[in-house]
Amino acid sequence: AQSVAQPEDQVNVAEGNPLTVKCTYSVSGNPYLFWYVQYPNRGLQFLLKYITGDNLVKGSYGFEAEFNKSQTSFHLKKPSALVSDSALYFCAVRDIGLGSGNTGKLIFGQGTTLQVKP
Amino acid sequence: SQTIHQWPATLVQPVGSPLSLECTVEGTSNPNLYWYRQAAGRGLQLLFYSVGIGQISSEVPQNLSASRPQDRQFILSSKKLLLSDSGFYLCAWIPGPVTSGNTIYFGEGSWLTVV
Repeated sequence: AQSVAQPEDQVNVAEGNPLTVKCTYSVSGNPYLFWYVQYPNRGLQFLLKYITGDNLVKGSYGFEAEFNKSQTSFHLKKPSALVSDSALYFCAVRDIGLGSGNTGKLIFGQGTTLQVKP
Repeated sequence: SQTIHQWPATLVQPVGSPLSLECTVEGTSNPNLYWYRQAAGRGLQLLFYSVGIGQISSEVPQNLSASRPQDRQFILSSKKLLLSDSGFYLCAWIPGPVTSGNTIYFGEGSWLTVV
């Protein structure tokens, strides 16, 4: 079965510093990986995804993620953090396990709170 | 353009009362639709998904049900709410046709507090 783990409940960085939010996955077959951001009392906003191709994926708001097959990781990164980046970040993997068919379902990690301090 | 609408945004209901949350999408046809619940501001749990009119799959046994009476309408219901039904409910969709690389898009959510 597919699964995704976000090992850090919270990440604290200073504004202007680089940030990394970690995600590891477990899949049978090709991984389809996603990052979303959630601001307080809002729905999830799509940031970026890895389907195939280049291991470095660029997304919205200056975020990027690096797919590493050997380490089964898909860490979210940004070269210079902004206070406005403070939010809850979710990594997700598409559920394409046996019997799932093409339902498009996503399995989410528990989320990581990013706190950027001025 | 493709958009998703979800309402009501906030709801306070007494235990034992019924529930109806509605979600509609615009600008697409035959989308896959999903209801997720987020408890305690953290993890997301998939409750139901639908690949077509009248086709509902339940992910977890619970006090809730879902229906899809029209192609772009997805309704989450309960006959009698429990305290444990409180949470943030998110409707989501994939514009058809569905492929493995498609992105799921989320509505703005509905806050349900059962008192």
